[in-house]
Amino acid sequence: GDSVTQMEGPVTLSEEAFLTINCTYTATGYPSLFWYVQYPGEGLQLLLKATKADDKGSNKGFEATYRKETTSFHLEKGSVQVSDSAVYFCALIDHGSRRALTFGSGTRLQVQP
Amino acid sequence: EAGVVQSPRYKIIEKKQPVAFWCNPISGHNTLYWYRQNLGQGPELLIRYENEEAVDDSQLPKDRFSAERLKGVDSTLKIQPAELGDSAVYLCASSNKTKYYNEQFFGPGTRLTVL
Repeated sequence: GDSVTQMEGPVTLSEEAFLTINCTYTATGYPSLFWYVQYPGEGLQLLLKATKADDKGSNKGFEATYRKETTSFHLEKGSVQVSDSAVYFCALIDHGSRRALTFGSGTRLQVQP
Repeated sequence: EAGVVQSPRYKIIEKKQPVAFWCNPISGHNTLYWYRQNLGQGPELLIRYENEEAVDDSQLPKDRFSAERLKGVDSTLKIQPAELGDSAVYLCASSNKTKYYNEQFFGPGTRLTVL
């Protein structure tokens, strides 16, 4: 079946540091890949997406590239802010099967001033 | 445009009691999802509706869980009787199918605590 593996948190960084959150996936078909973010007290929000190999999703300074050869979709940001503190979830949809999101377990990011 | 609405936001019950959650999706979204998110985990699908039809309920514990979407709009998820292990956040999401993927929009969730 489909699965998503994320690096465990929490990840604690100082403001303006570089961020990488690793994500790898297993899918039987050819999935679309997503990063969702959950800010404290709020619902899940789509951060960025990529629908085919070598696509780069980007939003709010965050980027992730769909790497089919390594089955990865790592999230990066060049300079984090305190307001980026949240839980980040990597997810996929396998269009050939369930058409529902399969999530990783989430990575909590804490950015200190 | 209003987002996905869920109620209640919080619910505390004793084990063996029934509980129900309500979801109103974004207007015009034909697909509705219920997910369960355990503490420290990502959400997991319970059931997916296309209009009023449950097209994927393979992960729904049917001995105690039930769901309905009678008019293809809002939906109710019920647990009867609740168990301690049902404590979780129950998320509703909706989407409108596009050619390449169906971006899902999530509600704020209902946090259930079973004592």
